Amino acid sequence: QSALTQPASVSGSPGQSITISCTGTSSDVGGYNYVSWYQQHPGKAPKLMIYDVSNRPSGVSNRFSGSKSGNTASLTISGLQAGDEADYYCSSYTSSSTPVFGGGTKLTVL
Amino acid sequence: QVQLVESGGGLVKPGGSLRLSCAASGFTFSDYYMNWIRQAPGKGLEWVSYISSSGSTIYYADSVKGRFTISRDNAKNSLYLQMNSLRAEDTAVYYCARDGAAVAGYWGQGTLVTVSS
Repeated sequence: QSALTQPASVSGSPGQSITISCTGTSSDVGGYNYVSWYQQHPGKAPKLMIYDVSNRPSGVSNRFSGSKSGNTASLTISGLQAGDEADYYCSSYTSSSTPVFGGGTKLTVL
Repeated sequence: QVQLVESGGGLVKPGGSLRLSCAASGFTFSDYYMNWIRQAPGKGLEWVSYISSSGSTIYYADSVKGRFTISRDNAKNSLYLQMNSLRAEDTAVYYCARDGAAVAGYWGQGTLVTVSS
């Protein structure tokens, strides 16, 4: 299963909104509503931010939202804060009954 | 609260073996699927394997199939990963994560495996 495609980097200023895309195929992103997003700060374990395309786990800020259209999922972060600077990974369930991750996106808060 | 603590990482020579463990607490371990996910130094996340709550369903990434074996002991609240025929490209931080094939809701802090001569 090939990795999902994410932009290598995105940036934004505090208070702005940014969107990170995650492109797959009809065998993964497009075929299931099982897309998750993870935030990872340097030297730390990943943290689940969004699951099942658009659901937030308890405790995750409502500044984080997820959506999907066709074979592309998106993570939007509104009201950017310095603490949002991190690596972000998407993942999707696949037709092979296994998950696949995206290559990761480095978010820089200017 | 949910806690996952990995152990067993270290330095091993190419072709060698290592067994990772993940001790779980704060939830009913036998109710949940469990994953192993790894991250090579400076690289992205790669799913390695998952096992169903009873242990009856197991999947592996192609990159480790035939070399790695996932298992669990629900009586001991523990998850394992037996890694054989290790290669340099297996060098990574290995995380155990709870929940299943579609999502990893809780992660351990990871254990570093280094394969080098």
